[in-house]
Amino acid sequence: DGGITQSPKYLFRKEGQNVTLSCEQNLNHDAMYWYRQDPGQGLRLIYYSQIVNDFQKGDIAEGYSVSREKKESFPLTVTSAQKNPTAFYLCASSIKANTGELFFGEGSRLTVL
Amino acid sequence: GDSVTQMEGPVTLSEEAFLTINCTYTATGYPSLFWYVQYPGEGLQLLLKATKADDKGSNKGFEATYRKETTSFHLEKGSVQVSDSAVYFCALRKDFTGGGNKLTFGTGTQLKVEL
Repeated sequence: DGGITQSPKYLFRKEGQNVTLSCEQNLNHDAMYWYRQDPGQGLRLIYYSQIVNDFQKGDIAEGYSVSREKKESFPLTVTSAQKNPTAFYLCASSIKANTGELFFGEGSRLTVL
Repeated sequence: GDSVTQMEGPVTLSEEAFLTINCTYTATGYPSLFWYVQYPGEGLQLLLKATKADDKGSNKGFEATYRKETTSFHLEKGSVQVSDSAVYFCALRKDFTGGGNKLTFGTGTQLKVEL
C-alpha cells in the first residue's frame, strides 16, 4: 500500500547528541514537509521541500537540518543546537507543492533525557 | 500573521449527540480551509476541506461551511459515535509568492465519545 513511513516511532536521546528521523514515501509526491507537534500548540512547520535537491525553512527551523537527495526520502536531523527537542515529529507529503491535501506519517516521538 | 483558533477540549459527548467544534481564523485574502483528524497513535488524515466562501465540505457525516463574514469554519456532526473519538485540527492554507503549500494549524480539539 502507498503511504508515508516514519522511523523510529520512539527515540530517546541524551543532551548534546544529534539524531536523525527517517521519512520515506512511496506516493510519488513531489513535496514533503516536517512538522513538530507539542501539547497545546498544534503543528508547526520546520522545513519543507518542493522538489528533489531543494528545501526551505519553515517557521521553526533553528536547530534542525534536512536533505532531499531522493524524491521518496526527506530525513530530519535534530541537532544539539535545538534547545527543546522533546516533541512529536510528523512528516507529510503532497502531490505537488501548491495543493492543500497533506498525507501524514504516523509520527516519531523524540524524548531527550 | 495568519492564525487559527479552535475551542479548547476535551469535548466529551454521549453517543448519538450533536457535535460542534468551533474554528475561527485570521488571514488576509482568501485562504483554503481544512479539518484534519488524528486518531490515537496515528498521523493526521484530511477529513474535509473548502476552498472558497460559502463552500461546504463534508465527509463521513461531518460538515463544515466556509463563512467569510464571520471568518469561521465550524465542524459539525449530527450523531457522533464512539469511533469518532480523536483529536480534530482546523487549518488554513494560503499560497505564497514562489509557490509552496504552507498550512497553519489550530491547537487541536480532543473529542471523547462515551456510550
